[in-house]
Amino acid sequence: GDSVTQMEGPVTLSEEAFLTINCTYTATGYPSLFWYVQYPGEGLQLLLKATKADDKGSNKGFEATYRKETTSFHLEKGSVQVSDSAVYFCALLNSGGYQKVTFGTGTKLQVIP
Amino acid sequence: EAGVTQFPSHSVIEKGQTVTLRCDPISGHDNLYWYRRVMGKEIKFLLHFVKESKQDESGMPNNRFLAERTGGTYSTLKVQPAELEDSGVYFCASSAGTRSGNTIYFGEGSWLTVV
Repeated sequence: GDSVTQMEGPVTLSEEAFLTINCTYTATGYPSLFWYVQYPGEGLQLLLKATKADDKGSNKGFEATYRKETTSFHLEKGSVQVSDSAVYFCALLNSGGYQKVTFGTGTKLQVIP
Repeated sequence: EAGVTQFPSHSVIEKGQTVTLRCDPISGHDNLYWYRRVMGKEIKFLLHFVKESKQDESGMPNNRFLAERTGGTYSTLKVQPAELEDSGVYFCASSAGTRSGNTIYFGEGSWLTVV
């Protein structure tokens, strides 16, 4: 079945540091890939998405590129801020059959001033 | 346009009691999903409605959980009787169609604590 593996946290960075959160997936067919974010006390928000190979999703300074050859969708940001502290979830939506999003376990990011 | 709305946002109940969570999807979205995240774990799929029909309920943990979507609009998820391990965040989501380019939109979640 489909699965998503993302790096375990928590990840602690200083403000303005470079962020990478690794995500790899296993799926049949050609899934769409997503990063969702959950800020403290809030719900899930879609951060960015990519629907086909080599697509780059970007939002709020975050980027992720759909790499079919390595089945990866790593999240990056060049300079993190304290306000980026949250839990980040990598997810996929398979194109075959009925829609069902498969999530990774989530990576907690803490940015310190 | 209103997003996916969930009620209640927070609920604290005693073990053995009943709780009903409600989800209003985005207007016009035929697909409605329930997910759950228990403390520190991944977000797990519970079930998927297409209009009023249960398309996939493979993630429902046991028969204490009952989901309905009468009329294909809002949905309810009832937990009866609640157990301690049911504590977590219950997310509802909706989407317009089944093509891979469609985005699934999540609500803010219903935070359930069973004591």
